[in-house]
Amino acid sequence: QVQLVESGGGVVQPGMSLRLSCAASGFTLTSQGMHWVRQAPGKGLEWVAVIWYDGNHIFYRDSVKGRFTISRDASKNTLYLQMNTLRAEDTALYYCARGSGPNHSRFEYWGQGTLVTVSS
Amino acid sequence: EIVLTQSPATLSLSPGERATLSCRASQSVREYLAWYQQKPGQAPRLLIYDASNRATGIPARFSGSGSGTDFTLTISSLEPEDFAVYYCQQCSNWPPMYTFGQGTKLEIK
Repeated sequence: QVQLVESGGGVVQPGMSLRLSCAASGFTLTSQGMHWVRQAPGKGLEWVAVIWYDGNHIFYRDSVKGRFTISRDASKNTLYLQMNTLRAEDTALYYCARGSGPNHSRFEYWGQGTLVTVSS
Repeated sequence: EIVLTQSPATLSLSPGERATLSCRASQSVREYLAWYQQKPGQAPRLLIYDASNRATGIPARFSGSGSGTDFTLTISSLEPEDFAVYYCQQCSNWPPMYTFGQGTKLEIK
């Protein structure tokens, strides 16, 4: 069965970096589009980034462009989110999710999330 | 950017009652709208996709309708486990941008 397990969250100071990982099982990462979605404490859901199944189409929300990089390692079947120049407003629970449908338009499977706290 | 507005923000109902949740888009999203359920401490779960298709394993009491800019999630007879927060979500065509509504909290009356 499909399973997604995130890791790498923690407490960091503003301006620092962090890399999140999402280990996938039950399917091949390179056959599906994969997303990162975040949720600030007590707030709603916010899409962050997507990498399409072909690996050639990558998109970000405006507020993270130039700071965050989504990538994957096929040999490890793992998705990553490299987060640089972190800000307090990046504090959130970060979920990885498998996309489905045209443009990987919906989030079919979700991990349990990893918490990122940006604070001085 | 397409904005999704959900209403009401909070809906107070009793088990057995019918719940109707609304999601309005700032411009047409055709039929590419999904609904998710999120319980406290849990990841969201896909309920409905393409406006009216139930995801795998979702009970028949959940149904979705609508197209264009106005969409509805209906729960025909509320079970105790249905009390949660519900989000709608869309994907714009190009470049693909994925947005969520702000959520509707369905609480026990």
